[in-house]
Amino acid sequence: GENVEQHPSTLSVQEGDSAVIKCTYSDSASNYFPWYKQELGKGPQLIIDIRSNVGEKKDQRIAVTLNKTAKHFSLHITETQPEDSAVYFCAAQAGTALIFGKGTTLSVSS
Amino acid sequence: EAGVTQSPTHLIKTRGQQATLRCSPISGHTSVYWYQQALGLGLQFLLWYDEGEERNRGNFPPRFSGRQFPNYSSELNVNALELEDSALYLCASSYDHFYGYTFGSGTRLTVV
Repeated sequence: GENVEQHPSTLSVQEGDSAVIKCTYSDSASNYFPWYKQELGKGPQLIIDIRSNVGEKKDQRIAVTLNKTAKHFSLHITETQPEDSAVYFCAAQAGTALIFGKGTTLSVSS
Repeated sequence: EAGVTQSPTHLIKTRGQQATLRCSPISGHTSVYWYQQALGLGLQFLLWYDEGEERNRGNFPPRFSGRQFPNYSSELNVNALELEDSALYLCASSYDHFYGYTFGSGTRLTVV
């Protein structure tokens, strides 16, 4: 079945720096890749997603890139702010479910 | 628009007991998904219900079960609780299979 690996598990940056989180997946049939942000005490919230017919998608300070050949996708956050501190999860569609990575704890210090 | 609501927020049970967790999806969403979020393991897919039927289940034993009601709300039952069942249980709903999952805030189950 689908397996999603996510790196790094923790990431600390200074406010204003960029942050990059990378994921790899195993099932070449997967064609939908969302990213979720989970703040303390809350459920994960969808922040951006990409489908396999697109190589890059951007929404303000957040962008996602997809390399289907290499089976990896990345989340890029520019001009980080303290409120970006949270756990970020990548996911890949596997049949009729989403399979999630283990998460990255992002800490942005001011 | 009300989001996905889950109840109870916290639940403490003794090993061997049964736990029942509830989820109300966003209005108009017919699919409900259950995930287990145990410490350090990310989100593990448990069950998918759509139009009242179980459509798919993850790699969990049969003591994890549930159902979906005619109003699309859902219930997750965990029988013969074990200590390792302690986790945050998340429910998500969607309008089109897995696209645009919206999660609830979860039920924190603690087994003692």
